[in-house]
Amino acid sequence: QVQLQESGPGLVKPSETLSLTCTVSGGSISGYYWAWIRQPPGRGLEWIAYIYDSGTTNYNPSLKSRVSISEDTSKNQFSLQLRSATAADTAVYYCARVDKGWFDTWGQGTLVTVSS
Amino acid sequence: QSVLTQPPSLSGAPGQRITISCTGASSNLGAGYDVNWYQQLPGTAPKLLIYGNNNRPSGVPDRFSGSKSGTSASLAIIGLQSEDEADYYCQSFDSRLGGLYVFGTGTKVTVL
Repeated sequence: QVQLQESGPGLVKPSETLSLTCTVSGGSISGYYWAWIRQPPGRGLEWIAYIYDSGTTNYNPSLKSRVSISEDTSKNQFSLQLRSATAADTAVYYCARVDKGWFDTWGQGTLVTVSS
Repeated sequence: QSVLTQPPSLSGAPGQRITISCTGASSNLGAGYDVNWYQQLPGTAPKLLIYGNNNRPSGVPDRFSGSKSGTSASLAIIGLQSEDEADYYCQSFDSRLGGLYVFGTGTKVTVL
């Protein structure tokens, strides 16, 4: 079955860009929606963005000005960039597959800490 | 910025029934968008528990059931077991601001 794995730096300095990649294995990235979701320590889940077929994207309005999502079908990966990071962006970041409005497959998550 | 409201915590003895509520608004549940539920065991990623209001993915025990009516939804656990101790989140779509996925505030279930 499809598996997702997040990768990227675990520590980012304030004002810098947080960059993460999700590698999809066991299936093609094409034909599905893919999303990023985050969870600050001890808090709830927040949807960040999704992408479909490299051209269709949608972003959480609260983060839209700082976030970009992209796909690399040749590598079966999709990525997240969050600019001007602050301590409030410290969270576990999950990548997930979207199926008709629900998130049916999740990565294990990666903790990103924003600190100097 | 959770727009779906859940009780922060619930508890029950093994074998009991508990119900987790999820209250939304006219822009999400009330607009006809489906509700989905996730279970998050300590230290792990969320797992899809119920999709499309009342459907269980393969492998999810039938003691979990979901329902939706108007601007509210609920997840019932019938015959609570120790391994059900976890955080539970509802999720839907909201039509405001161009459309966004929204999650509930989360409910911590404790098995006594």
